[in-house]
Amino acid sequence: NAGVMQNPRHLVRRRGQEARLRCSPMKGHSHVYWYRQLPEEGLKFMVYLQKENIIDESGMPKERFSAEFPKEGPSILRIQQVVRGDSAAYFCASSPQASGSSYNEQFFGPGTRLTVL
Amino acid sequence: KNQVEQSPQSLIILEGKNCTLQCNYTVSPFSNLRWYKQDTGRGPVSLTIMTFSENTKSNGRYTATLDADTKQSSLHITASQLSDSASYICVVSGSSGGSYIPTFGRGTSLIVHP
Repeated sequence: NAGVMQNPRHLVRRRGQEARLRCSPMKGHSHVYWYRQLPEEGLKFMVYLQKENIIDESGMPKERFSAEFPKEGPSILRIQQVVRGDSAAYFCASSPQASGSSYNEQFFGPGTRLTVL
Repeated sequence: KNQVEQSPQSLIILEGKNCTLQCNYTVSPFSNLRWYKQDTGRGPVSLTIMTFSENTKSNGRYTATLDADTKQSSLHITASQLSDSASYICVVSGSSGGSYIPTFGRGTSLIVHP
């Protein structure tokens, strides 16, 4: 059973370009979470999705950022018109059940390191 | 505001020695507390999980404690190994409208020297 997969592992973009980050959850997991980690900072929650639904996007910037988790295919975190401040590691995690279960562990992917030049 | 504070920020110890990492939180209402290990360039991996009623939980050389009254947790590493060098992250989950979104500490960076 493969773990959470993220691609690309490293992504370089120039200011103003778009960045697309992909996350394939573990088999059987239908809940996906995206986090951002700035250098020397802790992980910050961005968005929580189930198949075809955004459950909680309270951590997502209101502009330029969007996320989806379609019925088929990976979850996508999309950043439009990237700026230097978007440079960070973006981690995806998945879980088999809703986040409300105390013993429901989130399994993390290896992350995508975005560098904006 | 939910917060998780970890100390020390960084720690250097010699191989074979023990160490203890601290975590204080203000997340309320409390659901559970996890300690994660994050190796450089990788995603976090769960070490232990503790709920309100649990005081101690062990996983090999890792022992976590929880005092829900004082809202403090510790992670004790026994007989450290070079492979223990990593960032250790305390994560506390509360309840917000039924969605248990976790709050992450900044982590303690542990370096184990031979």
